[in-house]
Amino acid sequence: GIQVEQSPPDLILQEGANSTLRCNFSDSVNNLQWFHQNPWGQLINLFYIPSGTKQNGRLSATTVATERYSLLYISSSQTTDSGVYFCAVGGSGGSNYKLTFGKGTLLTVNP
Amino acid sequence: NAGVMQNPRHLVRRRGQEARLRCSPMKGHSHVYWYRQLPEEGLKFMVYLQKENIIDESGMPKERFSAEFPKEGPSILRIQQVVRGDSAAYFCASSPRNIRGKLLFGSGTQLSVL
Repeated sequence: GIQVEQSPPDLILQEGANSTLRCNFSDSVNNLQWFHQNPWGQLINLFYIPSGTKQNGRLSATTVATERYSLLYISSSQTTDSGVYFCAVGGSGGSNYKLTFGKGTLLTVNP
Repeated sequence: NAGVMQNPRHLVRRRGQEARLRCSPMKGHSHVYWYRQLPEEGLKFMVYLQKENIIDESGMPKERFSAEFPKEGPSILRIQQVVRGDSAAYFCASSPRNIRGKLLFGSGTQLSVL
């Protein structure tokens, strides 16, 4: 199956700093999503981005499908951004609904 | 328009008991997906159901686990004779059809087996 690697595994920032999270995947995908799991355990979908670039407020994401990676940018980080960020991919073909999750990046934003 | 609703939020069972986890999809959604988050293994796909049909159960453990999505009512994930290794967060998501877009999850059920 598809392998998903996220980096860095842990990241500590001061409030106001910017960061870039990376997701590498091992095969062609037609479904890629970024999630934020907050400290209460809820999974919040940030982006559906199998290719291209999207922005939503302080967050943006870029997926370069031909090179098999995706980046999540967080600008002007806030303490509420703390949590685990997951990249999840679905392969090409009929089983794109079956998302494979990376192990996540644990982000801590200090005041 | 309520999101995906899961209950209970927390469930405590003793070894050997049965656990029933419920998932009500978003209004108008007929496809349901269950994922499990084990402490050291991350989030993994379990099963994909449509109304009255199991489409893909390749991620379900072979024994003790079953899932259904009846014509009426919520989807149910059932775990018989629970063991401590079943302790995990179980998440459900729904979609109107095969995924083309954001997958939205419920708040999850945290199962603790004593």
